[in-house]
Amino acid sequence: QQQVKQSPQSLIVQKGGISIINCAYENTAFDYFPWYQQFPGKGPALLIAIRPDVSEKKEGRFTISFNKSAKQFSLHIMDSQPGDSATYFCACTSGTYKYIFGTGTRLKVLA
Amino acid sequence: DAGVIQSPRHEVTEMGQEVTLRCKLISGHNSLFWYRQTMMRGLELLIYFNNNVPIDDSGMPEDRFSAKMPNASFSTLKIQPSEPRDSAVYFCASSPRYTGELFFGEGSRLTVL
Repeated sequence: QQQVKQSPQSLIVQKGGISIINCAYENTAFDYFPWYQQFPGKGPALLIAIRPDVSEKKEGRFTISFNKSAKQFSLHIMDSQPGDSATYFCACTSGTYKYIFGTGTRLKVLA
Repeated sequence: DAGVIQSPRHEVTEMGQEVTLRCKLISGHNSLFWYRQTMMRGLELLIYFNNNVPIDDSGMPEDRFSAKMPNASFSTLKIQPSEPRDSAVYFCASSPRYTGELFFGEGSRLTVL
């Protein structure tokens, strides 16, 4: 019930393309779904987050789509750039300090 | 603000040696987390402090691991004795509140030979 399944494990996208990363969860008590971005040699940093009362949240080129009934959410990166090359982690939490992180997706955007 | 500061950034040690990792929180943050990151297990929560008090240490692998928060701005994670399977990147993160955004440091990469 505490698992978060993230896919794909790695992703290669051409510059200007759309990157899509998916996460699925089991615990219906989760109520906060952040995405963290991690560059090599750095710590993860919050990119964008959503709560289940909305189905979509957009910040610049980054969009979270949320499907409460399917217990799935995804990160869309529009007009992907080489500078977006990083590892992306989804996470879930249910109003506590315990974040359940996905296993990560290594994104490479080709110039 | 300088962000969460961790030291050392890299540590190479031999099995059996004591390792101490250090973390300075962002001023005003009252929640402190230690995470371990490996390829096999991803990001694992080791221990969580709130207002300098350890709240949840269920993720600490075994008695060889200990963590302290002697004041509101500083924490240490100690491994004694260290083993090769402890090799990982250890992250410290702070948060301004119980359920707030996590602000990670740049991590301490530990290699135990």
